[in-house]
Amino acid sequence: GAVVSQHPSRVICKSGTSVKIECRSLDFQATTMFWYRQFPKQSLMLMATSNEGSKATYEQGVEKDKFLINHASLTLSTLTVTSAHPEDSSFYICSAHTGGGYGYTFGSGTRLTVV
Amino acid sequence: GQNIDQPTEMTATEGAIVQINCTYQTSGFNGLFWYQQHAGEAPTFLSYNVLDGLEEKGRFSSFLSRSKGYSYLLLKELQMKDSASYLCAVRDRDAGNNRKLIWGLGTSLAVNP
Repeated sequence: GAVVSQHPSRVICKSGTSVKIECRSLDFQATTMFWYRQFPKQSLMLMATSNEGSKATYEQGVEKDKFLINHASLTLSTLTVTSAHPEDSSFYICSAHTGGGYGYTFGSGTRLTVV
Repeated sequence: GQNIDQPTEMTATEGAIVQINCTYQTSGFNGLFWYQQHAGEAPTFLSYNVLDGLEEKGRFSSFLSRSKGYSYLLLKELQMKDSASYLCAVRDRDAGNNRKLIWGLGTSLAVNP
């Protein structure tokens, strides 16, 4: 079946630095990638939707200059958290739309801790 | 507006049956999904309904009534490993025609011995 490989699974960074999270679709082409953030004991919050070759669409309240999304190829989408602060600490998950009824495959998530 | 409601928490006993309800009000509808999520992990797909009726898949079943904006997830023969959060999500389309999911807040299910 369709697999999305997400890396890193865990990252700890210092406040003020940037962190890049990668999601790669294996054996299929992900034309659309969804990026979510999830705080403890809360549901998934959609941050942005990216389509290959075009600019990402950000949800209301999400700073596009802080959360940079690049979807330069059909198999790779990246989320860069710039100038990270402790409040950015969260669980970040990507999900690729693969088409058809079931059509969403999730990455395994990245636990970001900003100290 | 977009709204999906499901109970926050539920408790059940091992071996029993539990039903998790979900009601939705969305501008569009193109299918309803149920996902299971264990703490610290990504969601895993459980079921998908786009037409009215019951979809059965082993110990898990899901029901949809589009006219009522209602779905439920039925878990039978509960096991301890079923303790998790269960997320209801409705597929809609945004202005860019992206098939995005609108998520409920999740139901935390605790299965007790």
